Amino acid sequence: AQSVSQHNHHVILSEAASLELGCNYSYGGTVNLFWYVQYPGQHLQLLLKYFSGDPLVKGIKGFEAEFIKSKFSFNLRKPSVQWSDTAEYFCAVRRSGGSYIPTFGRGTSLIVHP
Amino acid sequence: NAGVTQTPKFQVLKTGQSMTLQCAQDMNHNSMYWYRQDPGMGLRLIYYSASEGTTDKGEVPNGYNVSRLNKREFSLRLESAAPSQTSVYFCASSPQQNTEAFFGQGTRLTVV
Repeated sequence: AQSVSQHNHHVILSEAASLELGCNYSYGGTVNLFWYVQYPGQHLQLLLKYFSGDPLVKGIKGFEAEFIKSKFSFNLRKPSVQWSDTAEYFCAVRRSGGSYIPTFGRGTSLIVHP
Repeated sequence: NAGVTQTPKFQVLKTGQSMTLQCAQDMNHNSMYWYRQDPGMGLRLIYYSASEGTTDKGEVPNGYNVSRLNKREFSLRLESAAPSQTSVYFCASSPQQNTEAFFGQGTRLTVV
């Protein structure tokens, strides 16, 4: 079974700082990759996804992620964070094809100070 | 556009009580899921339904049952609630299993 590891559990930044959240997975085959965001008191929303093609994926609100197959990684980045980016971020991975269900990482809590 | 609707939003139960969490989606999705979210544990899959008429266990099914009543509705039942089931429960749906999931607002359940 695949597993997903998010290395940073808590991240605190000041506005305008750059962000990179790590995500690594364990499955060696073809995968689909997702980043979700959960704003305080709200449900999860999709930030971006990767299925195939260009490994650099752009999502909503200025976020992007890069799939590096050799490193089994799908790190999330944003050049300049805002206070409104304060949220919890979840990486999810599923084995491509068939009836596989995504596995979620434990999440990273991001706090951005104004 | 309602998306995925969960009821109730909050619930407090006594140990041993039973209850059903309701979930409905209006996006004509085939697949539906129930997750629980606990601090430091992320989201863990309880049960899922790949299509109407089918249900399967996820990572943490013990203490729960589900019913896929029709294509729209997927309920989660706790027959005898335990304090370990205190959590935030999310229902989600997706067109198929190989696409992203759309989540409901969550149900915050406390078992005392």
